[in-house]
Amino acid sequence: DIQMTQSPSSLSASVGDRITITCRASQGIRSDLGWYQQKPGKAPKRLIYTASSLQSGVPSRFSGSGSGTEFTLTISSLQPEDFATYYCLQHNSYPLTFGGGTKVEIK
Amino acid sequence: QVQLQQSGPGLVKPSQTLSLTCAISGDSVSSNSSAWSWIRQSPSRGLEWLGRTYYRSKWYIDYAVSVKSRITINPDTSKNQFSLQLNSVTPEDTAVYYCARDPGVKYCSGVTCYYYYYGMDVWGQGTTVTVSS
Repeated sequence: DIQMTQSPSSLSASVGDRITITCRASQGIRSDLGWYQQKPGKAPKRLIYTASSLQSGVPSRFSGSGSGTEFTLTISSLQPEDFATYYCLQHNSYPLTFGGGTKVEIK
Repeated sequence: QVQLQQSGPGLVKPSQTLSLTCAISGDSVSSNSSAWSWIRQSPSRGLEWLGRTYYRSKWYIDYAVSVKSRITINPDTSKNQFSLQLNSVTPEDTAVYYCARDPGVKYCSGVTCYYYYYGMDVWGQGTTVTVSS
């Protein structure tokens, strides 16, 4: 199975900050990676697919980059509604595997 | 737009069978491009993909090794839904269970074709299942 290591596991930031979350794959997965946002009691919501493609309806302050084994999710200017937990998902091979999550909290 | 509506009991006794259903609207369980997955989430295991079903001239089903001996995923074309059954549950199976769509596209090069899947884009609302006597 491909292991997805996400960092940091949590971070504190202020509204307007730029933040970056990283996911590392245990082997190369091309660009077969998605980023998801999850709020308490809700299902994950996809933000980015194929590493850098913005899901329709998602604000442009979200961006993704990377390929191979290292990927990043960047929020350019954190908004109040962005405080949530973020996950990466590799869909290169089965079983699909998720990162452990990054909880973004208000400083 | 595509919506997934989950149903099923929230409490299951140890050693019994967990059964959930995911009703699809806006797409078809028999779609020639989408696959349909079950995922669960718990504090101890995080997000865990359990398995999927899809139709490509015939039905295919894939399961995660961790649950392969206990899981069954079935499509139901008459109701446009798919189901999850997990046998012999223990408290470790306590989790929020989600169904999700995994959209795909077919690529062909000469006579060779394959499907590329983009990862889950639409999710059900989630069902909290507690395994307890």
